[in-house]
Amino acid sequence: DGGITQSPKYLFRKEGQNVTLSCEQNLNHDAMYWYRQDPGQGLRLIYYSQIVNDFQKGDIAEGYSVSREKKESFPLTVTSAQKNPTAFYLCASSIGTTRVNEQFFGPGTRLTVL
Amino acid sequence: GNSVTQMEGPVTLSEEAFLTINCTYTATGYPSLFWYVQYPGEGLQLLLKATKADDKGSNKGFEATYRKETTSFHLEKGSVQVSDSAVYFCALLPSGGSYIPTFGRGTSLIVHP
Repeated sequence: DGGITQSPKYLFRKEGQNVTLSCEQNLNHDAMYWYRQDPGQGLRLIYYSQIVNDFQKGDIAEGYSVSREKKESFPLTVTSAQKNPTAFYLCASSIGTTRVNEQFFGPGTRLTVL
Repeated sequence: GNSVTQMEGPVTLSEEAFLTINCTYTATGYPSLFWYVQYPGEGLQLLLKATKADDKGSNKGFEATYRKETTSFHLEKGSVQVSDSAVYFCALLPSGGSYIPTFGRGTSLIVHP
């Protein structure tokens, strides 16, 4: 089955710690995205990548970092510089090169800072 | 810039009622338009889409028509079920540039038996 997997589903972090969220896709999609979702605020774009070894900041990149060393993987690191990291994080992918193609989303990771 | 405006929720309906969730957009050119659905604790999944003016997207009894003249893409369903309770997101993908989607804030739908 083709799709996007995110792990872990739940993650707890102490203040001051970095933590990495995993995102893997086997859809052979070029583009991958990370979103943050807070109650009542919809989706906010953190980072996106349209090709391997290249990525761009989204609207709220401060305190986050990413890498795109392989086409199928786009991990997100939440650093200690992120002031309020407790949120639901969604990874998505798309073919990425036309205006008609939808995004495919993973099941999400809920991060809680203790 | 591009923007998507959805009606505020929650929308609360009884089973078998008619559903409308309004969505209007601002964008240059001819964007593609999408509705996504998010069930509690899950990621988003595509519900339907339309890629040009006057197109109608449909899926699972839901419909939406791309209205260029009113810049709208309202979601409708003739008879909702309890299982339709979820958050619905309207989104656009611009016709040029980076192909980064713009999402609305989401509208929560609660259907009572």
